[in-house]
Amino acid sequence: AQSVAQPEDQVNVAEGNPLTVKCTYSVSGNPYLFWYVQYPNRGLQFLLKYITGDNLVKGSYGFEAEFNKSQTSFHLKKPSALVSDSALYFCAVRALNSGNTPLVFGKGTRLSVIA
Amino acid sequence: DGGITQSPKYLFRKEGQNVTLSCEQNLNHDAMYWYRQDPGQGLRLIYYSQIVNDFQKGDIAEGYSVSREKKESFPLTVTSAQKNPTAFYLCASTPLSGPGDYGYTFGSGTRLTVV
Repeated sequence: AQSVAQPEDQVNVAEGNPLTVKCTYSVSGNPYLFWYVQYPNRGLQFLLKYITGDNLVKGSYGFEAEFNKSQTSFHLKKPSALVSDSALYFCAVRALNSGNTPLVFGKGTRLSVIA
Repeated sequence: DGGITQSPKYLFRKEGQNVTLSCEQNLNHDAMYWYRQDPGQGLRLIYYSQIVNDFQKGDIAEGYSVSREKKESFPLTVTSAQKNPTAFYLCASTPLSGPGDYGYTFGSGTRLTVV
C-alpha cells in the first residue's frame, strides 16, 4: 500500500526566512513524488515532481524539494519565503511500478508567511 | 486553452436530493478522478476512470455514482445515500501513455453544501 505523511498541519515562517514543509512516504519500490499548492477555493496547482535523477528537484515559484531515499522523505523548501507563498501544500506519491494506480495525497500542510 | 472545467462552482442540496457535479476536460487525457476535500483530511479518492465506459471505486465511493460515456466528461452524482455530502469536490485528469510520470491537472472545484 502507498501512503504519505505530512507531520505538520501548520507551518509559520517570517517573510524572507527559509521555509521547509515536510513529507515522508511509503511505497513498494521506487516512488514518483509530487508537490502541489492550493489557494483558497481553488484546485491544486502542480509545483514540482521527482521521478529519477538528481535528488534536488527545482520547481515553480522558487520552490525546490530534496528526495532522500534512506529517510523516505521529500521535503519542500524555499530559501526566502514570501507572503504570497501562504497556502495549503500537498505531497503525493505513486509507486514507479504500480501501473496506473491513483496518486495518494497527504493531508496537507498550511503554510503561513508573516510579514 | 486546454484545461479541466468543473461546474457549478457552488451547489446547494436539500436533504434527500441527488445532485450532479460536472467535470469536462479538453486535454485529451485518458484518466479522470474525483476527490473529496474536507478540512484536515486532505484529498480522498471517490472514483476514477481510465477508459471510456469503465470506472473503479476509490476509498469513499459509498453514496456516490459516476459515468464515463465520453473521454472528455466524468460527471459525479452525489446521491441521497451520502449522509454527509457537504465538502469541496475536486476533479482531476492525467494522460496514461508514456512513462507514467505525469502528475494531475485539477479543476477549480465545486463546493457542495447541504441546506
